[in-house]
Amino acid sequence: QVRLVESGGGVVQPGRSLRLSCAASGFIFNNFGMHWVRQAPGKGLEWVTIISYDGSNKYYADSVRGRFTISRDNSKSTLYLQMNSLRAEDTAVYYCARDFYTNSGRSFQDWGQGTLVTVSS
Amino acid sequence: DIQLTQSPSSLSASVGDRVSITCQASQDISTSLNWYQQKSGKAPELLIYDASNLQSGVPSRFSGSGSGTDFTFTISNLQPEDFATYYCQQYDNIPPGFTFGPGTRVDF
Repeated sequence: QVRLVESGGGVVQPGRSLRLSCAASGFIFNNFGMHWVRQAPGKGLEWVTIISYDGSNKYYADSVRGRFTISRDNSKSTLYLQMNSLRAEDTAVYYCARDFYTNSGRSFQDWGQGTLVTVSS
Repeated sequence: DIQLTQSPSSLSASVGDRVSITCQASQDISTSLNWYQQKSGKAPELLIYDASNLQSGVPSRFSGSGSGTDFTFTISNLQPEDFATYYCQQYDNIPPGFTFGPGTRVDF
């Protein structure tokens, strides 16, 4: 079955950097686009970024564009999120999710368990 | 950017009830609307895609309808494991972006 396991979260000071990883298994990783979605404590879901199956296309939410970078290593079936210039408002659980094309649009078909990032001095 | 609103923001219900949640888009999105369930402390789970299609493995008591700007998500015969928060979500393709509604909490 599909399994997505995030890691790399923790406590980091404002302005510092952190890299998250998402190890994928149970499907052909290099056939699927992948997302990062986050959820601040007690808040709703916010899409962060997507990368195409081959890494050639990347799109970001306005809130993170220029600070976060998504990448992938298909040889390792692993997705990454490099987060720079972190702010208090980036504090959230970060989920990786598998992209799902439908007839009308796209959705998040499978999700990891999430990793908590806390930005605090 | 397309905005999504959900109503109600929360509701109280009992086992066996029929529950409906609405999601309204700020402009016509055809049927590009998905629904997710999130239980406390867990990752979301896709229930309905393209407004009315049941994701594989999801019980048939969950259903969705609508097109354009107005959508409805319904749980018939509410079960104890259905107490959760439900989110709608849509996709913009120019440029690619994804928006979630603010969520609806269903509790006792």
